[in-house]
This record gives sequence, C-alpha cells and structure tokens, in this order.
Amino acid sequence: QKEVEQNSGPLSVPEGAIASLNCTYSDRGSQSFFWYRQYSGKSPELIMSIYSNGDKEDGRFTAQLNKASQYVSLLIRDSQPSDSATYLCAVTGGNTDKLIFGTGTRLQVFP
Amino acid sequence: EPEVTQTPSHQVTQMGQEVILRCVPISNHLYFYWYRQILGQKVEFLVSFYNNEISEKSEIFDDQFSVERPDGSNFTLKIRSTKLEDSAMYFCASSLLAGETYEQYFGPGTRLTVT
Repeated sequence: QKEVEQNSGPLSVPEGAIASLNCTYSDRGSQSFFWYRQYSGKSPELIMSIYSNGDKEDGRFTAQLNKASQYVSLLIRDSQPSDSATYLCAVTGGNTDKLIFGTGTRLQVFP
Repeated sequence: EPEVTQTPSHQVTQMGQEVILRCVPISNHLYFYWYRQILGQKVEFLVSFYNNEISEKSEIFDDQFSVERPDGSNFTLKIRSTKLEDSAMYFCASSLLAGETYEQYFGPGTRLTVT
C-alpha cells in the first residue's frame, strides 16, 4: 500500500514567520511531487510541483525534495493570515499518473 | 485563466437513485480524472480517462460507477445506485499530458449528499 504521510497539525505560526510543512512517502518509485492548498469546503489548488532533488522556489513558496530520504517539504516565507488552510502533499510514481494524497497539514497563521 | 468547471455544486439524492456529475475540463487538456473526498478524510483517486477510455481505476470504482465523455467538452461520472457511503465531495481534474511530470488541476467539486 503506497502511503503519503503528513502531520495533521494544526501548525500555528505568527504572521511574517516561515511555515515549514513536511511529507514522507513510502514508494521509492515515486517521480512527481505536488503541494496543493485546500481551504475549508473548497477544492485542492495546486501551488507547487517538484520532480528532482533539491529546492524549487516560486514567490514565497519553496518546495524541497530528498528522494533518498523519501521526503518532500514546503516552506512558506512571510506567512500571511490568508495562507491559513490545509496543505496537501500528493505524489505520483511508477507507471501511474494517479495522485496519492496525504491527509494534509492544517496551517494557522495568526496576526 | 482556464479552469475546470463542475456542475452541480451540490446534489442531494435518495439512496438507490442514479446521479450524474458533470465536468468541463480545461480545453486543451487530454487526461481527465475523478477524485472524491469524504468529509474529514483524504482525497482519493477514483478513475483516470484518456482517449475515450479508462486508463486506470481504483478499488472504489466498482460496477456502480461509470465515466463518459459524451462530447468534445464534457466529462461525466455516473453513479448508478447511490449508497449512503457515496456521500462525499467529488472533484474532477484535468491534465495537459499524463506521464508523471504534468500537473493536475482540480475543479471546484460537487458535494453529493445521499439520504
């Protein structure tokens, strides 16, 4: 059973701080890694994708991938109250394009 | 910016009834998906669809489920005889290309309530 694990949180950070979200996955054959943001009652919104080891930056977001350790993380710099949401880690791998999701980490950014 | 659309936003149905959930994927996308999310649980893959046929389906996607692309724009999920446990958010997603290096974009979802 291929699994994606996330700490459910909530992760509480003050406005302006860096939020660090982590995800581990069980399938070593996983190839593509995604972070989605999901506001309560809404659909997943893609914010980052990463395919190779290292860091990938997009604005205030940085995704980090370490395939040897089978983890992927998301850093949010200068966190804003509007970043408060559940962040879903999703993985594809092997010969499939289906997304396997973690349960998500709830982030709370307080003023 | 192109987006995936879904109708209806909320569907209430009685157990045993048939429902059809509709999706319009992003226009130049070729791969289509259905996922569901039971309240408080993780998003789960149901089925993927390419070139007018199912490319992969999960254990959840049993004989009561079917998918169809009836025309050049719509993509539908039919649940033939709904059960209470089918109550969930159903999300349609689309991707420009499959393989493992292309992003999937989700529609706003249909909340299905089975009573």
